[in-house]
Amino acid sequence: DIQMTQSPSSLSASLGERVSLTCRASQDIGSSLNWLQQEPDGTIKRLIYATSSLDSGVPKRFSGSRSGSDYSLTISSLESEDFVDYYCLQYASSPLTFGAGTKLELK
Amino acid sequence: QVQLQQPGAELVKPGASVKLSCKASGYTFTSYWMHWVKQRPGQGLEWIGEINPSNGRTNYNEKFKSKATLTVDKSSSTAYMQLSSLTSEDSAVYYCAMGGNYFDYWGQGTTLTVSS
Repeated sequence: DIQMTQSPSSLSASLGERVSLTCRASQDIGSSLNWLQQEPDGTIKRLIYATSSLDSGVPKRFSGSRSGSDYSLTISSLESEDFVDYYCLQYASSPLTFGAGTKLELK
Repeated sequence: QVQLQQPGAELVKPGASVKLSCKASGYTFTSYWMHWVKQRPGQGLEWIGEINPSNGRTNYNEKFKSKATLTVDKSSSTAYMQLSSLTSEDSAVYYCAMGGNYFDYWGQGTTLTVSS
């Protein structure tokens, strides 16, 4: 199975700050990576697909990128609604696997 | 608009089975694989498996092969997941999700509680 090592597990940041979350893949997954956002009520929404494509309706402050086996989600300027949980997902190989998640907290 | 409707909660006894539903609307049901995901309280997400609604073909995470059975009813555009021999370890939120680029859309999840 492909392991997705997500870091940090939690991140404390301020409004307006720029932050990056990372997932490292244990094997080559090419561009087969999505980023998901989960609200406190459990609602899950996809933000980024295929490493760097922004989903419709998602604010442009979110972006995705890749450097080798490291995949990043960057939020350019944090807003209050961004302080929730984030997960990466690889779909290159079955079983599909998720990162363990990052909890973004308001400093 | 695409909607995946799931019941909010189910309560079942240990040792029993349960069949969770996911009713799809707003798109052609047979065009996209349907996935199921498990999330235990305070934990991360686990992929259970997927089903092709057009022909019923399934792929399972090995971990869930003896636990989950995925089916569909094309007439009602509904996907189902049956979970068998339930224990407290099966208490979790179960989501259905679909889309051409993997998990474009998610249901709200069903909270399954296994308790006597």
